[in-house]
Amino acid sequence: KQEVTQIPAALSVPEGENLVLNCSFTDSAIYNLQWFRQDPGKGLTSLLLIQSSQREQTSGRLNASLDKSSGRSTLYIAASQPGDSATYLCAVSGDTGGFKTIFGAGTRLFVKA
Amino acid sequence: NAGVMQNPRHLVRRRGQEARLRCSPMKGHSHVYWYRQLPEEGLKFMVYLQKENIIDESGMPKERFSAEFPKEGPSILRIQQVVRGDSAAYFCASSRTGENTEAFFGQGTRLTVV
Repeated sequence: KQEVTQIPAALSVPEGENLVLNCSFTDSAIYNLQWFRQDPGKGLTSLLLIQSSQREQTSGRLNASLDKSSGRSTLYIAASQPGDSATYLCAVSGDTGGFKTIFGAGTRLFVKA
Repeated sequence: NAGVMQNPRHLVRRRGQEARLRCSPMKGHSHVYWYRQLPEEGLKFMVYLQKENIIDESGMPKERFSAEFPKEGPSILRIQQVVRGDSAAYFCASSRTGENTEAFFGQGTRLTVV
């Protein structure tokens, strides 16, 4: 059974700091891994999707890496801003359990001005 | 191409009433997934459907909850005789096929049971 764990559960940093969010998963037989952003009371915004054959994806100040063999992914946020404050969710899709996406519990990020 | 559309965005029901949540997948998508997010928790898988078929309902509570995805029209998540513990955000996602394709998520329906 696939399980996804995100560390830390919560993070508070001053504006401008570079930071790393961690995600680990127990079954390496995945098709893709996705990072989402969720603002309080809102829906999901897809940030980055990494296919299983890829090692990383970049979008603006965000960079996500994937190490399938070790079951790990990191989301790197450069030069953090107060507008980055949100919950960041890691999710994997794979053959385990039949293609459904399994989510981590999220990392709640607060960037102080 | 509109994204995944969920309605209503907010739904208030009294205990014992029925709640119907609708999800229209993206055009060309025939796979639909429902997730529930309880307050302060992550998203939990409920059910995976293709047109007219339930593929995986391992995350669905055994009683009061049902889902369908008819040949025509949106997917419906139905909760009968709602209780306060059903209050949550319910998200729908769709994908073109099941394997190795990206799932796109709707904005969710926030159900409040009073």
